[in-house]
Amino acid sequence: GDSVTQMEGPVTLSEEAFLTINCTYTATGYPSLFWYVQYPGEGLQLLLKATKADDKGSNKGFEATYRKETTSFHLEKGSVQVSDSAVYFCALRHSGGGADGLTFGKGTHLIIQP
Amino acid sequence: DAEITQSPRHKITETGRQVTLACHQTWNHNNMFWYRQDLGHGLRLIHYSYGVQDTNKGEVSDGYSVSRSNTEDLPLTLESAASSQTSVYFCASSESGMDTQYFGPGTRLTVL
Repeated sequence: GDSVTQMEGPVTLSEEAFLTINCTYTATGYPSLFWYVQYPGEGLQLLLKATKADDKGSNKGFEATYRKETTSFHLEKGSVQVSDSAVYFCALRHSGGGADGLTFGKGTHLIIQP
Repeated sequence: DAEITQSPRHKITETGRQVTLACHQTWNHNNMFWYRQDLGHGLRLIHYSYGVQDTNKGEVSDGYSVSRSNTEDLPLTLESAASSQTSVYFCASSESGMDTQYFGPGTRLTVL
């Protein structure tokens, strides 16, 4: 079945550091890929997504590129802020239509220190 | 503004009791989902629905049931709560044919 693997952390960085959170997936066909963010005490919010190979999703300074050859969707940001502290989830939705749910990674807890 | 709400936000119950968690969305989305979030597991799909009168089992459906009598609501019922069902539960919805899901704020359930 489909699966998503991501570094679990916690990942601790200083403000203005470069961020990479690795995400790799296993799926047949051409899934859509997502990054969701969860701030403390809140639900998940969509951060960015990509629906086909070589697509780049971007939002709020975060970027991720759909790499089919390496089955990866790594999240990057050039200069993190304290407000970026949150849990980040990589997810996929299997292609083929329908209303199937998302398959999530276990989440990466990111801590940004001032 | 359209939104998705869950109630209660926190619930403590005893083993063996029946519990129902509510989910209400005003997006007019056909697709609705229930997930549970546990440390070390991320989010796992419990049940989902394509529309009124439609329900489907997800990865971890044992001990849970849902019913869909209208577009806006998908209540999740734990027939006989167990300590293993202590978790944070999230409801989500999406438009037909679209893959972006919108999540509610979650319900923290503790089964003693």
